[in-house]
Amino acid sequence: EVQLVESGGGLVQPGRSMKLSCAASGFTFNNYDMAWVCQAPKKGLEWVATISYDGSSTYYRDSVKGRFTISRDNAKSTLYLQMDSLRSEDTATYYCARHRGFAYWGQGTLVTVSS
Amino acid sequence: DIVMTQAPLSVSVTPGESASISCRSSKSLLHSNGITYVYWYLQKPGKSPQLLIYRMSNLASGVPDRFSGSGSETDFTLKISRVEAEDVGIYYCGQLLENPWTFGGGTKLELK
Repeated sequence: EVQLVESGGGLVQPGRSMKLSCAASGFTFNNYDMAWVCQAPKKGLEWVATISYDGSSTYYRDSVKGRFTISRDNAKSTLYLQMDSLRSEDTATYYCARHRGFAYWGQGTLVTVSS
Repeated sequence: DIVMTQAPLSVSVTPGESASISCRSSKSLLHSNGITYVYWYLQKPGKSPQLLIYRMSNLASGVPDRFSGSGSETDFTLKISRVEAEDVGIYYCGQLLENPWTFGGGTKLELK
């Protein structure tokens, strides 16, 4: 069974940093591109970033370019999202997902950016 | 960016009846390989999104065959036959043709 378990969310002040993790199991992690998708409170889904299966390629939505970094550790089957210079508008639940079709999603972790 | 527009914003359905949700893309989602890269997801209350339909008309694993997807290059429909209580939630269409990958604003399905 595919499982994706996010961690690392919480309350953070504007301008500070936070790193999210996503532990994957139930599939061969290093065969799949992975992604982060966010959902602001009471809002819709918004793709954030994607990383290729081997980490050689990364893609970001414009609003996070230069502030967020997606990475992965295939030996640990873990996906990461380093979020720097956080803004109030980054407040959202962040889901990790297997990029192909966004067929599998984690339970999400809430990031609240507020002073 | 490809804009995905869903209609209606909400739909109220009597259990056992059918429901249809529309999604329109601002650009053709038909790839040169013949695949149309539109997907449908359901987010049940308090839960993560789950994939229902992939590549316009293919039923995801474990999804009841009451769900079906159809469409053209830019206009798509999700049909739910014989709506059940477990179908309540917000439905999203999404395009996975090109970066940035985008979603529609969602359609809320409620029971009458």
